[in-house]
Amino acid sequence: AQSVTQLDSQVPVFEEAPVELRCNYSSSVSVYLFWYVQYPNQGLQLLLKYLSGSTLVESINGFEAEFNKSQTSFHLRKPSVHISDTAEYFCAVSKMDSSYKLIFGSGTRLLVRP
Amino acid sequence: KAGVTQTPRYLIKTRGQQVTLSCSPISGHRSVSWYQQTPGQGLQFLFEYFSETQRNKGNFPGRFSGRQFSNSRSEMNVSTLELGDSALYLCASSSQEGSTEAFFGQGTRLTVV
Repeated sequence: AQSVTQLDSQVPVFEEAPVELRCNYSSSVSVYLFWYVQYPNQGLQLLLKYLSGSTLVESINGFEAEFNKSQTSFHLRKPSVHISDTAEYFCAVSKMDSSYKLIFGSGTRLLVRP
Repeated sequence: KAGVTQTPRYLIKTRGQQVTLSCSPISGHRSVSWYQQTPGQGLQFLFEYFSETQRNKGNFPGRFSGRQFSNSRSEMNVSTLELGDSALYLCASSSQEGSTEAFFGQGTRLTVV
């Protein structure tokens, strides 16, 4: 079975400061890794994903995440946040098979203050 | 392309009633998954359908069921509603077997009173 742990339920940060949202996972098989973002009263949007290859993956809006196999982590970072980044962020895994079942962490609320 | 469409967006039901939620995937997508989101339990996988067949099922009671039609549209049904069924129900679609990206709808907010 797979599980995902997001240790921080809320992360407050000032605008233009760097931020790191932590994600650790547990799995007996190889998995794909994802970060999704959810704005109030909205569904989930894929932010970035790690499938294979380079362990550092980037999104178009400045976020990046690094897959660390030895630490079973996939932390999300941004060097300078904006007010508009305020949202709930979910880390998720899925098995490397043909089915589509995402196991989510409990989420981290990023609160960007001016 | 239109995104994933879920109807209705909001729903209020009484305990003991049943409810049917609808999801229209992105055109051409054959996989539809359903998730329940609550403040206490977070995001939990309900089930996944691919080409009208249930391929995966989460740990929910039999009151929760679903189906997928030949046009890939999906419905989920909850019978004998309980207060704890109040949640945001999210549908996600993906393009093909082995696809690694799911696109989510905006969800249906179900309130059971």
